Amino acid sequence: QVQLQESGPGVVEPSETLSLSCTVSGGSISGDYWNWIRQPPGKGMEWIGFIYYTGSTNYNASLKSRVTISVDRSRDQFSLKLTSVTAADTAMYFCARGTGASSGVYYYYMDVWGKGTTVTVSS
Amino acid sequence: SHELTQPPSVSVSPGQTARITCSGDALPKHYAYWYQHKPGQAPVLIIYKDSERPSGIPERFSGSTSGTTVTLTISGVQAEDEADYHCQLADSRSVVFGGGTKLTVL
Repeated sequence: QVQLQESGPGVVEPSETLSLSCTVSGGSISGDYWNWIRQPPGKGMEWIGFIYYTGSTNYNASLKSRVTISVDRSRDQFSLKLTSVTAADTAMYFCARGTGASSGVYYYYMDVWGKGTTVTVSS
Repeated sequence: SHELTQPPSVSVSPGQTARITCSGDALPKHYAYWYQHKPGQAPVLIIYKDSERPSGIPERFSGSTSGTTVTLTISGVQAEDEADYHCQLADSRSVVFGGGTKLTVL
């Protein structure tokens, strides 16, 4: 079965770029949507965006100016870059596989998640 | 953008029924989904399309909808059900989560 594993630095300095990767194992990255979600301490989850395996993306409007999600199909990995980080970007970051359809009644949800990785923005 | 509201916490004794609500004006027009998240573990999808249960999820978990509120019901709560529960909806432009509810099993 598909498993996801996040990786990247646990601490990022303010104004720098947060970079995380998610490795897909037990299956292929082809044919699905791949998401980043975060959860700040004591708060609810926030969807950051997704990338389809072909490379098309959809981002949270509130983060769109700072976010880039990319995919490396040869390595079954996808990545997140978040620029100009502040303390407000301190959170647990999760990667997840998305499943959905836009024909008929629209639906979209995440059916496989990674365990998450903690990122702290601090100097 | 859409907003989803959940109670911060719900407490229940073992064997009782827990009900966790999620409210939002967009819910009559979009499916709702529920995730269970335990500390140190990956979140798990427990309900999709309002009331469907993925394979492997116990029958004690069920979802229902009424107007602008969806409800996750856990019948015969067990100690292992203590976790955070998150509702979610999506439209063609975005994905939105509720604030999460911490279920405490007394």
